[in-house]
Amino acid sequence: QVQLVESGGGLVKPGGSLRLSCAASGFTFSDYYMTWIRQAPGKGLEWVSYISGSGGAVYLDSVKGRFTISRDNGQNSLYLQMNSLRAEDTAVYYCARRGSGRHFDSWGQGTLVTVSS
Amino acid sequence: EIVLTQSPGTLSLSPGDGATLSCRASQTVTSSYLAWYQQKPGQAPRLLIYAASSRATGIPDRFSGSGSGTDFTLTISRLEPEDFAVYYCQHYGSSLYTFGQGTKLEIK
Repeated sequence: QVQLVESGGGLVKPGGSLRLSCAASGFTFSDYYMTWIRQAPGKGLEWVSYISGSGGAVYLDSVKGRFTISRDNGQNSLYLQMNSLRAEDTAVYYCARRGSGRHFDSWGQGTLVTVSS
Repeated sequence: EIVLTQSPGTLSLSPGDGATLSCRASQTVTSSYLAWYQQKPGQAPRLLIYAASSRATGIPDRFSGSGSGTDFTLTISRLEPEDFAVYYCQHYGSSLYTFGQGTKLEIK
């Protein structure tokens, strides 16, 4: 079955960096667009970025130039490099697989990123 | 940028009741790219409905989706205790994704 496992979250100071990882299994990773979605504490869902199977990426405006999504199809892994972190980036970050209908059909359990001094 | 507005913000009902959740888009959207998710406390969201009315794998038939244009509805017939959660609608358009702010379905 499809499994997505995020890691790499933690506490970081404003202006710092963090790299999130998502290990995928149970499907042909390279065939799917993959996405990062975040949820601030007590708030709703916010899409952050997605990447095609071949590496083309799109970002939420507020993270452009600060976050970089990437993937390693040989390792079945998705990444999110987050630089110049701000307090408002504090959230649980979910890795999700995009279905053919542009919906998210499988989600990881999430990893918490806290940006605070 | 398309904005999705969900109503009501909170819905208080009893097990066995029927629930109707609304998602209104700020402009006409593609039904093929409208989805609904359920999220329980401490858990990741789960896909319920995609393409406005297609149930995801393993979703009970008491969940149904409908709508087109700017107005979409998630209907839950005969609420079960495990259905009390937060529900989000989501749309894809112009290479971007948007979510509604969510409707909390709580036990009355």
